[in-house]
Amino acid sequence: QKEVEQDPGPLSVPEGAIVSLNCTYSNSAFQYFMWYRQYSRKGPELLMYTYSSGNKEDGRFTAQVDKSSKYISLFIRDSQPSDSATYLCAPTRRSGGYQKVTFGIGTKLQVIP
Amino acid sequence: IAGITQAPTSQILAAGRRMTLRCTQDMRHNAMYWYRQDLGLGLRLIHYSNTAGTTGKGEVPDGYSVSRANTDDFPLTLASAVPSQTSVYFCASSPGQGLGNEQFFGPGTRLTVL
Repeated sequence: QKEVEQDPGPLSVPEGAIVSLNCTYSNSAFQYFMWYRQYSRKGPELLMYTYSSGNKEDGRFTAQVDKSSKYISLFIRDSQPSDSATYLCAPTRRSGGYQKVTFGIGTKLQVIP
Repeated sequence: IAGITQAPTSQILAAGRRMTLRCTQDMRHNAMYWYRQDLGLGLRLIHYSNTAGTTGKGEVPDGYSVSRANTDDFPLTLASAVPSQTSVYFCASSPGQGLGNEQFFGPGTRLTVL
């Protein structure tokens, strides 16, 4: 079983829709929960992160973590064509001497004008 | 400010050849990382370095080596390339190795081993 499970999509939505992206994880040691966005043929870039269970909002984006069910979500309100990208959930924990980031395989999102 | 640069952008390599992927950052970050990204498998850590002069193994280190002679550079070497090393390689850096440190990624190197 993978430590992090993420539906690869693709997910296609009309402009203005609310998008829900999700991951599940199995390791209780994860402490930080990050979301990265990756445009085609580019490197990933950090979108936002949370530390504890609950919600964190940043503009049109809301990250949600439920540690009891090991469920991570990213919501995008009023989605725009520029949001078309692959979204990677990335829970993080200490492992030996480094910050171990376990990336999901990514969900490809397409927002249609 | 360039952030992280990687070279080459892409490369086709014959199996058995030696290849070094270059990575340079100008943010004075202490920690640096090498990942490979494969369809269906996501990003997997190859090697990391918490500070200049130190390196460590990630999830998939076999067939790869790294060095960290200074803060800015973190080259990745494939001593004898094999087709299974065909992938997109990303270099990343973060200010420190503590939890919650954002990792900044380079643009990637697309490597094909024939």
